[in-house]
Amino acid sequence: GDKVKQSPSALSLQEGTNSALRCNFSIAATTVQWFLQNPRGSLMNLFYLVPGTKENGRLKSAFDSKESYSTLHIRDAQLEDSGTYFCAADASSGSWQLIFGSGTQLTVMP
Amino acid sequence: EAAVTQSPRNKVAVTGGKVTLSCNQTNNHNNMYWYRQDTGHGLRLIHYSYGAGSTEKGDIPDGYKASRPSQENFSLILELATPSQTSVYFCASGDAALQGARAEQFFGPGTRLTVL
Repeated sequence: GDKVKQSPSALSLQEGTNSALRCNFSIAATTVQWFLQNPRGSLMNLFYLVPGTKENGRLKSAFDSKESYSTLHIRDAQLEDSGTYFCAADASSGSWQLIFGSGTQLTVMP
Repeated sequence: EAAVTQSPRNKVAVTGGKVTLSCNQTNNHNNMYWYRQDTGHGLRLIHYSYGAGSTEKGDIPDGYKASRPSQENFSLILELATPSQTSVYFCASGDAALQGARAEQFFGPGTRLTVL
């Protein structure tokens, strides 16, 4: 099965609303990264997390290593938030390989 | 200035031909990685490197070779390209897995490869 499972796979939001994306891990991840892939295909680093929470503007992310999940909250969604969000967990094998989820495709509508 | 660059950005190759994808990083990171991304999927690791002269197999290494001639450069080589290798390829760099270092990876812009 998927070592990093993301949900939902796709999501449509009205501008100005809030949402939460989630990743569940079946590996013993010690760090998590969240990325946004924009329509041009570039991967932008959003968060790098050890267990705990981080906030950056309208985005907030949490990582609970004991319960093996991470969340990304988007507040007051804007059109430019559209794209595909990926979470990735390190494989804890000493080489710091990232294992990616399949992504959440987010569309923010006016 | 972009810290991880890839060339070419787009490539069309013929089946059976040799393809070399290049990556350069100015982050002074020890580790470098090659991933591929296929429609509807996240990124999957092909090869990675701990430093100059080192290459290691990732999750899907078959059909690919890698070369790390220097700290800054990491190449992915398809000796005999096949249509199943049509994909978008991403290079990344990151710190070594040393105590106190961050496991964060930084990605290049990607190379779109089409094998006909």
